[in-house]
Amino acid sequence: EVQLVESGGGLVQPGGSLRLSCIASGFTFSNYWMYWVRQAPGKGLVWVSRINTDGSSIEYADFVKGRFTISRDNAKNTLYLQMNSLRAEDTALYYCARGDPSGASYFDYWGQGTLVTVSS
Amino acid sequence: DIQMTQSPSTVSASVGDRVTFTCRASQSINSWLAWYQQKPGKAPKLLIYLASSLESGVPSRFSGSGSGTEFTLTISSLQPDDFATYYCQQYHTHSTFGQGTKLEIK
Repeated sequence: EVQLVESGGGLVQPGGSLRLSCIASGFTFSNYWMYWVRQAPGKGLVWVSRINTDGSSIEYADFVKGRFTISRDNAKNTLYLQMNSLRAEDTALYYCARGDPSGASYFDYWGQGTLVTVSS
Repeated sequence: DIQMTQSPSTVSASVGDRVTFTCRASQSINSWLAWYQQKPGKAPKLLIYLASSLESGVPSRFSGSGSGTEFTLTISSLQPDDFATYYCQQYHTHSTFGQGTKLEIK
């Protein structure tokens, strides 16, 4: 059974940092592109970042460029999102999601999300 | 950036009804479109990819169509479990979601 389990969320002050993790199981993690998608309370879904199978190709949404860093450790079946210079508008539930092995960016499996709250 | 616009924002319908949701892209995305269902407090669930391909395990009452800039998701006969919010997503260039359509019980 495919599972994605996020962790690392919490309450942080503006300007602070958090590192999110997503542990994958039930599939060959190293074969899949992986993504972070967020959802602010009561709002819609927003793509944040993606990483290819070996980490050599990475993309970010404009609103996180220079502040967030996506990475993966295929030996540990884990996806990460390092979040720096956090702003109030980054408050959201952060999901990790599995893409397609070919790189097509639709998401067939999602974690349950980890909540990030940026507030003083 | 490619913008995705869903309409309507809310739909009220009854069990057994046929319901259609619309999603428009600001430029052509060929068939690089997916549809998701999301229930409160839950992660989104993939229903359709490549505009019209049904994800494994999704009931056949769900269907998708369209290409270019105009897409539709149809539920042929609403079931009680279908009341949720539906999102379209383009994955032609990066990824963008529509703002969602909430399906409510009439």
